[in-house]
Amino acid sequence: NAGVTQTPKFQVLKTGQSMTLQCAQDMNHNSMYWYRQDPGMGLRLIYYSASEGTTDKGEVPNGYNVSRLNKREFSLRLESAAPSQTSVYFCASSEAIGSQEQYFGPGTRLTVT
Amino acid sequence: GENVEQHPSTLSVQEGDSAVIKCTYSDSASNYFPWYKQELGKRPQLIIDIRSNVGEKKDQRIAVTLNKTAKHFSLHITETQPEDSAVYFCAARLRSTPLVFGKGTRLSVIA
Repeated sequence: NAGVTQTPKFQVLKTGQSMTLQCAQDMNHNSMYWYRQDPGMGLRLIYYSASEGTTDKGEVPNGYNVSRLNKREFSLRLESAAPSQTSVYFCASSEAIGSQEQYFGPGTRLTVT
Repeated sequence: GENVEQHPSTLSVQEGDSAVIKCTYSDSASNYFPWYKQELGKRPQLIIDIRSNVGEKKDQRIAVTLNKTAKHFSLHITETQPEDSAVYFCAARLRSTPLVFGKGTRLSVIA
């Protein structure tokens, strides 16, 4: 099992460009999450999907949209990238929203110039 | 919503010494408290967790303690080794809501 996979690993965007970060899990998990990690700020939740067909805002949703394409895939879209969105983005999944362990993907390092 | 404070932000210890990282949470209804370890350039991984009906849990050199009255929990690492150097995150969760993470502690174990 690959666990949680993310693409791309690295990306550089210019201000105003758009892009989609892809995430997939092969553990048959119901819940998926997108976090951003900035120095000294920990892991902040952007959006999550408790189950297929549902999405909810987290702590820092502004400037992002998400799509739960199916049970395996959960994508994060930046419609008009800003330098403040320079960060490392982690996707994660868990069996259910209240289950014990979240499994993280390897991360995407995004730089917006 | 839940708020998690984590201290210290950085911690340096000599190899073989113990390390303690502390977290406080705001919502007394939180019932699950995991700790994640993130090595440089890697993804966070769960190392130990505790539920609100337990006061202490141990796994070899690591332990977590929970004080529900004071709303704080701590990670204890004994006999630290260089491979313990990493960023550690605490988290808390209300029932059926996503985890809320602390801001992390960078632990350096000096050989």
